[in-house]
Amino acid sequence: LAKTTQPPSMEAYEGQEVNVSCSHTNIATSEYIYWYRQVPHQGPQFIIQGYKDYVVNEVASLFISADRKLSTLSLPWVSLRDAAVYYCIVTDIGTNAYKVIFGKGTHLHVLP
Amino acid sequence: EAAVTQSPRSKVAVTGGKVTLSCHQTNNHDYMYWYRQDTGHGLRLIHYSYVADSTEKGDIPDGYKASRPSQENFSLILELASLSQTAVYFCASSVSGGQDTQYFGPGTRLLVL
Repeated sequence: LAKTTQPPSMEAYEGQEVNVSCSHTNIATSEYIYWYRQVPHQGPQFIIQGYKDYVVNEVASLFISADRKLSTLSLPWVSLRDAAVYYCIVTDIGTNAYKVIFGKGTHLHVLP
Repeated sequence: EAAVTQSPRSKVAVTGGKVTLSCHQTNNHDYMYWYRQDTGHGLRLIHYSYVADSTEKGDIPDGYKASRPSQENFSLILELASLSQTAVYFCASSVSGGQDTQYFGPGTRLLVL
């Protein structure tokens, strides 16, 4: 399974766009990229997933580099409610399909 | 949206005692998972199950047992609780494994004294 590397923390003001990067240099062709977030005292919540190029939904957008070694989660117009830990995960659709590994994530601090 | 509930939400246990954490999902998901989270760390997979009456070991199964009596219910059992098992425990479910989104419960905060 590909190991992911994220910045441990980030800081932004309300209303700013935030880009959280994730490096997965050993990602395999069978692996997808997922982003979850976790607010205090709750379980992680799915945000977005992608395999390549660019994905967007009502919450966020995800850009994946052409070689798939880097992905960037973009959160437009962050608010205080977006303060959370953001996890980048790569997971295999093959035989070890249960292997979803949550690292330490990126702790996003949002300032008023 | 998937609904995963856990009980109890918090528990204080004594060292050497037996602890059972319960998880219930209402979305007909085949896969269910138990994770633990230690303060300031990510989640680590303890056990998972992809069908009733069957469980599989995750990355850190030692000291834990799991039980899946039905598709909806998945329990985590600590036969002899230890101080090192103080953590927050999350249950999750998904339609299938791997690429499918996992839906998490609110967590159970376990303190072993």
